[in-house]
Amino acid sequence: EVQLLESGGPLTQPGGSLRLSCAASGFTFSAHAMDWVRQAPRKGLEWVATIGASGITTHYADSVKGRFTISRDNSKNILYLQMNGLKTEDTAVYYCAKDVGPGIPGDWGQGTLVTVSS
Amino acid sequence: ETVMTQSPATLSVSPGERVTLSCRASQSISTNLAWYHQKPGQAPRLLIYGVSIRATGIPARFSGSGSGTEFTLTISSLQSEDFAVYYCQQYNNWPLTFGGGTKVEIK
Repeated sequence: EVQLLESGGPLTQPGGSLRLSCAASGFTFSAHAMDWVRQAPRKGLEWVATIGASGITTHYADSVKGRFTISRDNSKNILYLQMNGLKTEDTAVYYCAKDVGPGIPGDWGQGTLVTVSS
Repeated sequence: ETVMTQSPATLSVSPGERVTLSCRASQSISTNLAWYHQKPGQAPRLLIYGVSIRATGIPARFSGSGSGTEFTLTISSLQSEDFAVYYCQQYNNWPLTFGGGTKVEIK
């Protein structure tokens, strides 16, 4: 059974930094691209970033480019999201997801809430 | 960026009814479209990808159709567990984009 467990919130001030982690199990982590998708309070889904299976290829939403970095440790089965220069509009539940095909987040974690507030 | 537009925003439906949800892309995305639903307090769940391919464990009452810029998700007979928010998502090009969602609520 695929399990994805996010951690790393919950609260920081504007301009601050946080690193989210997603511990993966139940599948061959190194064989799948992974994503971060977020959802602001009472809003819809927003894709944040994707990293290829080997970790070489990355893609970012314009809203986070230059501030967030997605990475992975295939030896530990962990996905990361380093978030710098946080803004209040980054407040959201952050989900990690395993791709079941290129660009298709198929299995999702339960999410971790990140709150950016002064 | 490919903008995804869903309609209607809210749909009030009785259990057992047939439901049709629409999703429009601002440019052609071929058949690179997925559907998800999300219940309150839960993570989204993948229902369909490739326009019409049901994900593992998704019942046959869910079906998808369309190509290019116009897509439809149909639920043939709505069950109580289907009341949720439904999102479409394109994966034809970067950035990946989601529609704003259609909330299916009990009439």
